[in-house]
Amino acid sequence: ELKVEQNPLFLSMQEGKNYTIYCNYSTTSDRLYWYRQDPGKSLESLFVLLSNGAVKQEGRLMASLDTKARLSTLHITAAVHDLSATYFCAVDTQGGSEKLVFGKGTKLTVNP
Amino acid sequence: NAGVMQNPRHLVRRRGQEARLRCSPVKGHSHVYWYRQLPEEGLKFMVYLQKENIIDESGMPKERFSAEFPKEGPSILRIQQVVRGDSAAYFCASSPIQNNEKLFFGSGTQLSVL
Repeated sequence: ELKVEQNPLFLSMQEGKNYTIYCNYSTTSDRLYWYRQDPGKSLESLFVLLSNGAVKQEGRLMASLDTKARLSTLHITAAVHDLSATYFCAVDTQGGSEKLVFGKGTKLTVNP
Repeated sequence: NAGVMQNPRHLVRRRGQEARLRCSPVKGHSHVYWYRQLPEEGLKFMVYLQKENIIDESGMPKERFSAEFPKEGPSILRIQQVVRGDSAAYFCASSPIQNNEKLFFGSGTQLSVL
């Protein structure tokens, strides 16, 4: 059974600082997704990583995928308050219905 | 061009009542997924439907839960005889093909069971 673990689960940081969220998964997959969720809202797709070594950047967020280590990272550069949200990684089960298996999420709070 | 529409946004039911959650996918999308989110948890897969067919229901509880996606109209997730443990946010997602790269999520229905 595919398991996805994120850490940390809670992250409080100061504006302007850098930090990395980690996402480990337990079985072979080369498709990983990062989503953002604001309180009471739906999931917004941030990044789709489709191959080993994939790196994508959007603004202050950068995501990478290492399929050999079964690890993805979401790096935050010079955090701002607007980045406060919960971030989820999800892995494709591949084959069949291709349902997503989600991590528990990282609740990020950026303090002024 | 509307996204995935779910209604109601909030639904309150007493124990033993039925809950019906509706999901209208993006126009032209024939693949629908339902996920459930418990407080402080990630989303968990429930069921995958493709117009009129249930493709994968491995995440659905065996009793009281059912889903459909008729030829015309929205997808419905039905929970009979609700219990407090059913309280959660239920999200629907749709895609034009069987591929998560094209997946769009709705805003969810928050079900509260009193």
